[in-house]
Formats: sequence, C-alpha cells, structure tokens
Amino acid sequence: EIVLTQSPGTLSLSPGERVTLSCRASQSVSTSYLAWYQQKPGQPPRLLIYDASSRATGFPDRFSGSGSGTDFTLTISRLEPEDFAVYYCQYCGGSPFTFGGGTRVEIK
Amino acid sequence: EVQLLESGGGLVQPGGSLRLSCAVSGFTFTRYAMSWVRQAPGKGLEWVSTISSSGSDTYYTDSVKGRFTISRDNSKSTVYLQMNSLRAEDTAVYYCASGFRPMTSLSSLEYWGQGTLVTVSS
Repeated sequence: EIVLTQSPGTLSLSPGERVTLSCRASQSVSTSYLAWYQQKPGQPPRLLIYDASSRATGFPDRFSGSGSGTDFTLTISRLEPEDFAVYYCQYCGGSPFTFGGGTRVEIK
Repeated sequence: EVQLLESGGGLVQPGGSLRLSCAVSGFTFTRYAMSWVRQAPGKGLEWVSTISSSGSDTYYTDSVKGRFTISRDNSKSTVYLQMNSLRAEDTAVYYCASGFRPMTSLSSLEYWGQGTLVTVSS
C-alpha cells in the first residue's frame, strides 16, 4: 500500500505569495498516477493536476505540478484570493487509491 | 453539462444499512470507472471504492471490505454503494466521482457530485 504524506499541514500566506506544497510517497510512483485536487469549504474536490504535471480544465497557469519517484510538488506561483483552499494529492495507480492528508492554504 | 447526483444518505443506527445512488448524465457513463470517496466531518478525503467501466472489477479500502458493495447499472447510468453493518466511523459525506481516463480504473477523478451525508448514530 502506498502512503502519501503531505506537508506542511497548514500554510498561512498572503495574496501574491508563491507557495510550494509537498506530497511524498512511501514508495516510487509513476507520474501517470499522481493527481492533485483543490477543495473549498462546502464544495466537492476539483481535479487540479493529473499525471503529476498536467493542469486540468479551468485552472490557470499559475498552478503547476512537478516531481517524480517519491517526491511531488504543487506550486502556485502567485496566490490569488480564490486559491485559499485545501489541497490533496492522490495515488491512482492501483488499489488502494489513497489520498494524502491534505494541506490547508489559509490567508495570513 | 456533466451532472453526478448522489442520493440515499441519512441517519442510521449502528449495524444498520443504507444504499447510496449516484445518477450520472452528460458523458458516456459506460466508458468510465466510478468511485466513492468519503469525508468525515472536519477531516480529509478517504477513497472508499471503485468499480471498472464494465462493472467486472471492484476495489475497496480495507475498512469497508465485506461490509460495502459497489455496483453499477450501465443502462441507468447509475452507480450504487450498498453499505451494511454500519459503524459510527462510517459517518461522512460520501461523494461519487468519475474517472478521468476512459476504459481504465487507474485514473484520477474528474467529475464529482455534491455529496450525500451519512450519519451513523443511535
């Protein structure tokens, strides 16, 4: 079973700042099977990044994903007010299709 | 427009049963795996179960194996989650979600419903 560890748990930042979120896998993961989701309060998650680095429909290019092996990163180049949310990574290469614990990006 | 509409949630006593449904429209249901993901109050996301596009393959997280059953009716574009022997720790919002890539269960989750709340309490 692949375990995904996200860090930090919470980030307190100001609009305009650059943010880097980490997702570390307990064993090597193909980039084809690493996804990121954004979730805002009271809403379902939205697919943000698939295949570790491909942006899903509707998200601007300030969002980017990178990484390989066991270390993956979600970067928001310049935080906008609508980006404050919780971000989850997910392994989707086989059962169990585990999620990381999430990183909350909150307004400082 | 893609829509995933969950129903069937509610309050149930420990040991009881519920069947969740998720009616899908707006894409070719038969080409995509479907999943259930839950979120306990104030907690993170937990993958629960996935069913392949044909329905021939099913997958479950360990904590629900033997108690939950996922199924689909491709003629009705609906996926189900039969939940038996419910426990307090099953209390959560249950989301259904569709796979991003067609014809594979190994896929991220592109479309999500709004969720249905299941509360297990006496």
